[in-house]
Amino acid sequence: SQQGEEDPQALSIQEGENATMNCSYKTSINNLQWYRQNSGRGLVHLILIRSNEREKHSGRLRVTLDTSKKSSSLLITASRAADTASYFCATEGKAAGNKLTFGGGTRVLVKP
Amino acid sequence: GAVVSQHPSWVICKSGTSVKIECRSLDFQATTMFWYRQFPKQSLMLMATSNEGSKATYEQGVEKDKFLINHASLTLSTLTVTSAHPEDSSFYICSARDTRADTQYFGPGTRLTVL
Repeated sequence: SQQGEEDPQALSIQEGENATMNCSYKTSINNLQWYRQNSGRGLVHLILIRSNEREKHSGRLRVTLDTSKKSSSLLITASRAADTASYFCATEGKAAGNKLTFGGGTRVLVKP
Repeated sequence: GAVVSQHPSWVICKSGTSVKIECRSLDFQATTMFWYRQFPKQSLMLMATSNEGSKATYEQGVEKDKFLINHASLTLSTLTVTSAHPEDSSFYICSARDTRADTQYFGPGTRLTVL
């Protein structure tokens, strides 16, 4: 099955800095979603961007989508220690029956 | 936001026993639920799609006789790991799709340790 790729795999930044992570995928999609996972916990939905959208904002989060390059980015501005977590992109493919395919994830460490 | 619960949150069992994990959508009806497993420091891998009132659809490589899924109501799906072995130790996460939205809501996960 298609598996998205995320980079970087790990990111370490100081509090207040911005964090950017990227996600690439392989097939046509209905939408792309970003999730956060704290260690050993479930996933928290952050933002959904549809295939006909190019950019979306939610609070300190900014997501872009480039369907021609089959890639997306997640920007967290003015990061906080509480943003420390793993971030995953997930795509809902056009032929996938609402199934989500997850990227490998980016582990973000925000140092106070 | 919508809430999905899982029970138990963690379980330790002996090799050869069976373990049942429940996934409930608490404030919405979910005709479709999904079961994932996640190994340490890895991503989520979809195991199967659970459809209310019909058989589950399993992903390639997932043994349907080992991972039994039952979706008997619009708010409950269960995953039973039969004859568990140490290699089945993992974090199992369910999600439920709210038919009113495009979003899947994830449960908090169940950590299974097989001794």
